[in-house]
Amino acid sequence: EADIYQTPRYLVIGTGKKITLECSQTMGHDKMYWYQQDPGMELHLIHYSYGVNSTEKGDLSSESTVSRIRTEHFPLTLESARPSHTSQYLCASSGHPGTGTDNEQFFGPGTRLTVL
Amino acid sequence: GIQVEQSPPDLILQEGANSTLRCNFSDSVNNLQWFHQNPWGQLINLFYIPSGTKQNGRLSATTVATERYSLLYISSSQTTDSGVYFCAVGWSGATNKLIFGTGTLLAVQP
Repeated sequence: EADIYQTPRYLVIGTGKKITLECSQTMGHDKMYWYQQDPGMELHLIHYSYGVNSTEKGDLSSESTVSRIRTEHFPLTLESARPSHTSQYLCASSGHPGTGTDNEQFFGPGTRLTVL
Repeated sequence: GIQVEQSPPDLILQEGANSTLRCNFSDSVNNLQWFHQNPWGQLINLFYIPSGTKQNGRLSATTVATERYSLLYISSSQTTDSGVYFCAVGWSGATNKLIFGTGTLLAVQP
């Protein structure tokens, strides 16, 4: 089944730890995105990728980094987590030849990160 | 950059009522999507509608690109319609970099 998967769904971690949020998609899409959403607020794009070995920063500055070694996999890493990183992180994908039009984005279930 | 404004910010309805949510944007767009965010934080795709009118069951949407607005209609609302409704746009200089509005929080009471 075509879908977007994110793990973990919830993560509570102490300050200074390195974390990686996983995102995988079986949609057949070439483009992938990471958005950050604070409680009760809108989403902001922090990273995007138009294909393997292609990554760009989004409109909202973030201390996280991403990689795109495989088409279906787009992990996000925080080298040293801080309480200011507490937020929800949502992964999305779009593009041919997968589901939807080339521009329509589909979202994973999100990861709720809490840094103590 | 492009600005996206949604109204109303909050809406309380009785079950069975109809509602209209509005999304205004400040520049030409070639990508517009409506989403429903459920209480668990999942974003559900409702419509991809950079122009024209679409319908899906009790929901329909219209985008008038020349006048820079989109409307989402919910008819015969149900408690499961509760949540936050987001409009997101992409403009010609950055079609795939969605800019989200601040959302409309809908509460449907039984």
